[in-house]
Amino acid sequence: ETGVTQTPRHLVMGMTNKKSLKCEQHLGHNAMYWYKQSAKKPLELMFVYSLEERVENNSVPSRFSPECPNSSHLFLHLHTLQPEDSALYLCASSQDPGTGNTIYFGEGSWLTVV
Amino acid sequence: RKEVEQDPGPFNVPEGATVAFNCTYSNSASQSFFWYRQDCRKEPKLLMSVYSSGNEDGRFTAQLNRASQYISLLIRDSKLSDSATYLCVVNPGPSGGSYIPTFGRGTSLIVHP
Repeated sequence: ETGVTQTPRHLVMGMTNKKSLKCEQHLGHNAMYWYKQSAKKPLELMFVYSLEERVENNSVPSRFSPECPNSSHLFLHLHTLQPEDSALYLCASSQDPGTGNTIYFGEGSWLTVV
Repeated sequence: RKEVEQDPGPFNVPEGATVAFNCTYSNSASQSFFWYRQDCRKEPKLLMSVYSSGNEDGRFTAQLNRASQYISLLIRDSKLSDSATYLCVVNPGPSGGSYIPTFGRGTSLIVHP
């Protein structure tokens, strides 16, 4: 059983829809991350939260809106997405965004924008 | 120069072969290093950390060369189940007080019968 759970695992949404991806970590970690992985492309860091404060925003379009209500939960709110936003969205956590900390990933949410 | 570079491959090897991957990094102040494995349509999973003295876990050996700024992963006696993408991860050191790990784009390994 993974320590980082993501829901939904699969999502199909229209370009005018609003949806959210949810992530929960059961590892007692202080840092949480959103990554995007498009087909045959490397991982792209989107956002990093440390103790519920956003510490990194990697020039992500505003149609992606993260929310971190506490150190165990992370959301990614999606609004008016484009077909090119279809990808695997991976949530991850680590003890803190610090030296030597291992990152643990959830199983990912497969998003298709139609 | 990219922060973390890997040869994307694919490396196509027969079962039983020994295969090695390298990963170079640009920031000499980088603090820690890891290898992750990612299977097709799955999330990355930690394979092993990389220590200055080198470390071994069964058929897998990881090494760090700080002078030349690269890490390596050696897989001996390859199995079909080793087929995956291997991601190099480098913690680059403090940036605004935090260390954000950087992932390479991965090296694809295909082990065939």
